[in-house]
Amino acid sequence: GQSLEQPSEVTAVEGAIVQINCTYQTSGFYGLSWYQQHDGGAPTFLSYNALDGLEETGRFSSFLSRSDSYGYLLLQELQMKDSASYFCAVLMDTGRRALTFGSGTRLQVQP
Amino acid sequence: DTAVSQTPKYLVTQMGNDKSIKCEQNLGHDTMYWYKQDSKKFLKIMFSYNNKELIINETVPNRFSPKSPDKAHLNLHINSLELGDSAVYFCASSQGSGRYTGELFFGEGSRLTVL
Repeated sequence: GQSLEQPSEVTAVEGAIVQINCTYQTSGFYGLSWYQQHDGGAPTFLSYNALDGLEETGRFSSFLSRSDSYGYLLLQELQMKDSASYFCAVLMDTGRRALTFGSGTRLQVQP
Repeated sequence: DTAVSQTPKYLVTQMGNDKSIKCEQNLGHDTMYWYKQDSKKFLKIMFSYNNKELIINETVPNRFSPKSPDKAHLNLHINSLELGDSAVYFCASSQGSGRYTGELFFGEGSRLTVL
């Protein structure tokens, strides 16, 4: 079966840096995406890694190691508005282009 | 200008009823999806259509029937609703060809409550 493992909850303070890990075991792998979802809202895209290494987009960075079946999302200079759930998602099949999501990590940013 | 819009946003209904959710995207994408998010926030793919053709049907009970009249619309009809169908249903779209960017565009969700 397919599995994506992420911590269920992370707590950090404003201004800090937090890393959310994702390990995956899937029958196919083409890339790893990250999504943010605020309570009551829709998932919104943050980043995508198809190759090993670090991708940086403003305060957010995402890393992938295909050999370790592992990735992480790094959030810097945390703000209260970053409190949300964060999901990693794997693209297993480029033909179908549907993502398989992890169970999500709830990030609580405290003052 | 909402990119992916779905209606209704809220649905409260009795067990055994039939209901529909509609979705439209104005992004020019050729692939659309239905995802189900349960109370534990787990997001699971249900269906995917590419240019009106069904390409993914993930072990969903046949009480659920998607319909894509054109590539900008994907509707979901649910027959004989059960308590376990209570969830938030998200419509999403993406470009179905060309360089893949890992990005799905989600609608705001339709929260279904079955009593």
